[in-house]
Amino acid sequence: KQEVTQIPAALSVPEGENLVLNCSFTDSAIYNLQWFRQDPGKGLTSLLLIQSSQREQTSGRLNASLDKSSGRSTLYIAASQPGDSATYLCAAQETSGSRLTFGEGTQLTVNP
Amino acid sequence: NAGVMQNPRHLVRRRGQEARLRCSPMKGHSHVYWYRQLPEEGLKFMVYLQKENIIDESGMPKERFSAEFPKEGPSILRIQQVVRGDSAAYFCASSPDMNTEAFFGQGTRLTVV
Repeated sequence: KQEVTQIPAALSVPEGENLVLNCSFTDSAIYNLQWFRQDPGKGLTSLLLIQSSQREQTSGRLNASLDKSSGRSTLYIAASQPGDSATYLCAAQETSGSRLTFGEGTQLTVNP
Repeated sequence: NAGVMQNPRHLVRRRGQEARLRCSPMKGHSHVYWYRQLPEEGLKFMVYLQKENIIDESGMPKERFSAEFPKEGPSILRIQQVVRGDSAAYFCASSPDMNTEAFFGQGTRLTVV
């Protein structure tokens, strides 16, 4: 059974800082790994999706890496802004079309 | 092209009543997933449906919960005889096929009083 863990559970940083969010998964046989953003009372916004054959994906100030052999993914946010404040979720998909297994998220606060 | 539409956004039910949550997938999407997010917890998979078929319901509670995705119309998640522990945010996601990422709706927040 796949389990996904995110560390830290909460993070507070000053504006402008670069930061790393961590995600680990127990079963390395994944199809893809996805990072989402969730704002309070809102739905999920997909940020980056990394296929199992890829090592990283980049979108603007965001960079996600994937190391299947060690069961880890990181989300790197450069030059953080107050608007980045949200909960960040990672989710592993084991096979094409199957369920997503989510971590419990990292609640990020970027202070102006 | 509208996104995944869930309604209602907020639903209040008294204990023992029935709750019906609706999910209209994006146009052209025939795969629907339901997830539940309990307070202070992560999202947990409930059920995966294609048109008129339940593909994987391993995350559904054995009693009181059911889901359908008819040939016409939205997918429905039905909770009978709701209890306070059913209070949660219920999210729906849709995709056009097995090989394409799913897109999430805004969720329905169910409160049982």
